[in-house]
Amino acid sequence: AQSVTQLGSHVSVSEGALVLLRCNYSSSVPPYLFWYVQYPNQGLQLLLKYTSAATLVKGINGFEAEFKKSETSFHLTKPSAHMSDAAEYFCAVSNSGGYQKVTFGTGTKLQVIP
Amino acid sequence: EAGVTQFPSHSVIEKGQTVTLRCDPISGHDNLYWYRRVMGKEIKFLLHFVKESKQDESGMPNNRFLAERTGGTYSTLKVQPAELEDSGVYFCASSPLRGDIYGYTFGSGTRLTVV
Repeated sequence: AQSVTQLGSHVSVSEGALVLLRCNYSSSVPPYLFWYVQYPNQGLQLLLKYTSAATLVKGINGFEAEFKKSETSFHLTKPSAHMSDAAEYFCAVSNSGGYQKVTFGTGTKLQVIP
Repeated sequence: EAGVTQFPSHSVIEKGQTVTLRCDPISGHDNLYWYRRVMGKEIKFLLHFVKESKQDESGMPNNRFLAERTGGTYSTLKVQPAELEDSGVYFCASSPLRGDIYGYTFGSGTRLTVV
């Protein structure tokens, strides 16, 4: 079984401030982890993924995430928020156990305040 | 390359009616997935095609939902008869390899409202 918990359905940051979106996962086998972003009226877009290589993963638009096995976390960060980062972000997990389903979190809406 | 295209973008139907959603994946993507998001909750897996074959349909809610993928190209998802709880956003995604490892390309979704 696998699951994802995203802490905070809404997060507000000031433009230029650090963005931190939290994600904790549960998986009985080594996980694959993803962050997707959905801009208004668009589909989900892959930001970055962890597939058991480097624990610090860099994605598009300056985002990165760190896989911490001991904390079962995969938090998404960006040093300086931009207005264009306002969107909904989804953390997701799949596993190497053979099932091809991806389990998504409930999403976090990021608001960037000018 | 063209992305994943879903049609219609919005659909409002009455309870008991039939609705058919369509997804055109990226050309050459053998893997096609349907997901659904209900009322701002998590995005849930519905089913997975590899070419024209259903690989996994364990997420389909009940037998009112029927998915097909003609000739391994586009896919349709029919809901018949629609119920109020079927309202939500239906996403289609495709990938050339396993999307659960390499990631998906998603369409913009179809927002279905059943009244």
